[in-house]
Amino acid sequence: GEDVEQSLFLSVREGDSSVINCTYTDSSSTYLYWYKQEPGAGLQLLTYIFSNMDMKQDQRLTVLLNKKDKHLSLRIADTQTGDSAIYFCAEGMNRDDKIIFGKGTRLHILP
Amino acid sequence: NAGVMQNPRHLVRRRGQEARLRCSPMKGHSHVYWYRQLPEEGLKFMVYLQKENIIDESGMPKERFSAEFPKEGPSILRIQQVVRGDSAAYFCASSQPGQGQETQYFGPGTRLLVL
Repeated sequence: GEDVEQSLFLSVREGDSSVINCTYTDSSSTYLYWYKQEPGAGLQLLTYIFSNMDMKQDQRLTVLLNKKDKHLSLRIADTQTGDSAIYFCAEGMNRDDKIIFGKGTRLHILP
Repeated sequence: NAGVMQNPRHLVRRRGQEARLRCSPMKGHSHVYWYRQLPEEGLKFMVYLQKENIIDESGMPKERFSAEFPKEGPSILRIQQVVRGDSAAYFCASSQPGQGQETQYFGPGTRLLVL
């Protein structure tokens, strides 16, 4: 079946790195996504990774994929107050296929 | 270069009324997706449409919900005889496969409150 699991809350001090973890069940997923949702807003695609990759870096964001364990993580370096949001892990079979979302991790930044 | 537009942003209905949610995809996009986000939950896929065609409606409730994407105009998600459990945020996304725009771009959502 299709299921994406992630922890619900994470608190990090400003300037530290944030690591948000996610596990998924569908081994046939080709695309793995990270979306950001700020309060009252829609979803912003942060980054995605193909299932045949194990790492992708984009400025302060690093995505690691362990396909064997079906584990995905998002690392945000030098976390800022503007990073406070809900982060959704998601998977999709094809690029134009429906996307299966986790429940989201609420990132709280401590001063 | 407008993104995905949804209206209204907020909608209040009484039980038994109808709710009509509109989505205008990004310019040049002909694929539209509807998702529902219940409070404290992730987004759940509802339906995937192309112009005048429903491609995948596996996430749509069997009754009261319908969606269309006509040749002209926005996509419409219609909920008849709303109940309190329909209260949620409804997000639309659009894409255009084959032109480097395969990624789904999301709108700001319509927040439906059923009294």
